[in-house]
Amino acid sequence: NAGVTQTPKFRILKIGQSMTLQCAQDMNHNYMYWYRQDPGMGLKLIYYSVGAGITDKGEVPNGYNVSRSTTEDFPLRLELAAPSQTSVYFCATASRKDEQYFGPGTRLTVT
Amino acid sequence: AQSVSQHNHHVILSEAASLELGCNYSYGGTVNLFWYVQYPGQHLQLLLKYFSGDPLVKGIKGFEAEFIKSKFSFNLRKPSVQWSDTAEYFCAVGFTGGGNKLTFGTGTQLKVEL
Repeated sequence: NAGVTQTPKFRILKIGQSMTLQCAQDMNHNYMYWYRQDPGMGLKLIYYSVGAGITDKGEVPNGYNVSRSTTEDFPLRLELAAPSQTSVYFCATASRKDEQYFGPGTRLTVT
Repeated sequence: AQSVSQHNHHVILSEAASLELGCNYSYGGTVNLFWYVQYPGQHLQLLLKYFSGDPLVKGIKGFEAEFIKSKFSFNLRKPSVQWSDTAEYFCAVGFTGGGNKLTFGTGTQLKVEL
């Protein structure tokens, strides 16, 4: 089992460009999450999903969108990239009330 | 809003020294508690977790943590650190009614010197 996979690993965007960060899991978990990690700030929750078709905002949702059409996939969309979105993005999954399992991350730079 | 505090941002220890990293949270209800570790260039991995029962929990690689409800704390300990423990450590708290979400502390960067 691959667990949680994320693509791409690295990406450089120009200001105003858009992109989708992919996250897929083969653990059959209902819960999925997107975080951003900035130095000295810990992890901040962007969006989360409790199951296919259900998504909700986290702590820092502005500038991002998500969809959850299947249990396995939870893509994160950046519509108009800004330098403030330069960060490392982690996807995670969980079964109910269990620990979260993290993907390897996507390092995004917006210039 | 609930919050999680990690007081030590950077810790430098010599090999074989003992480690204690502090974690406090602000919430009066039931919590689930976690410590994660992030080795350089890697993703977060679970060290240990507490849901209920014995407040002293043991995790992987010789780590343990103690939940003290009256102090809203969940400190991480290891009696003797190794160079390979160099990493960033994150405390995370799940609050009841939080939709299975976790709130993370800002992390503690641990460097173990030979």
